[in-house]
Amino acid sequence: GQSLEQPSEVTAVEGAIVQINCTYQTSGFYGLSWYQQHDGGAPTFLSYNALDGLEETGRFSSFLSRSDSYGYLLLQELQMKDSASYFCAVRESDYGQNFVFGPGTRLSVLP
Amino acid sequence: EAQVTQNPRYLITVTGKKLTVTCSQNMNHEYMSWYRQDPGLGLRQIYYSMNVEVTDKGDVPEGYKVSRKEKRNFPLILESPSPNQTSLYFCASSPTSGRAYEQYFGPGTRLTVT
Repeated sequence: GQSLEQPSEVTAVEGAIVQINCTYQTSGFYGLSWYQQHDGGAPTFLSYNALDGLEETGRFSSFLSRSDSYGYLLLQELQMKDSASYFCAVRESDYGQNFVFGPGTRLSVLP
Repeated sequence: EAQVTQNPRYLITVTGKKLTVTCSQNMNHEYMSWYRQDPGLGLRQIYYSMNVEVTDKGDVPEGYKVSRKEKRNFPLILESPSPNQTSLYFCASSPTSGRAYEQYFGPGTRLTVT
């Protein structure tokens, strides 16, 4: 079967660094994406890794290790507005648009 | 403003009454998808479309139909809704030009089937 695993909840304080892990087991793999979703809102795209290594976008970074079927999202200098759910998603084919999403990690940032 | 729109945003209906949720994007994107979101399950893909008249099943297509007659529109049809289709539905679009992985989501449609 296909599955992605993420921690269900993570809590951190303002200004800290937090890492959200994602492990995957899918029929195909052509990249790992990360999305943020605030309560009542739509998912918004954060980052994407097709190859091994680290991708940095401002305070957010994402890492991928294809040999370990593992990736993570790193959030630095946490702010209250970062409190949201974060989803990893695997793109299963290079020519299609079939994505498998993880169950999501709810991040709470405390003052 | 570049956006994906969905209508209606909220819908309460009864079992068996056919309904359509519309989705439209103004970014000239080739790819479009429908997802449902249920607590603890993340987003599950229902159908996707790679261009006009080209659609394919996602992970949970049972009970749903789609059509792509125009590039900008991708309606989701529930021919005979059942209570287990009560969910939050999202439409998404993305370009093919090297950034097909970057999906833009609509605001969501909360559907309740009684």
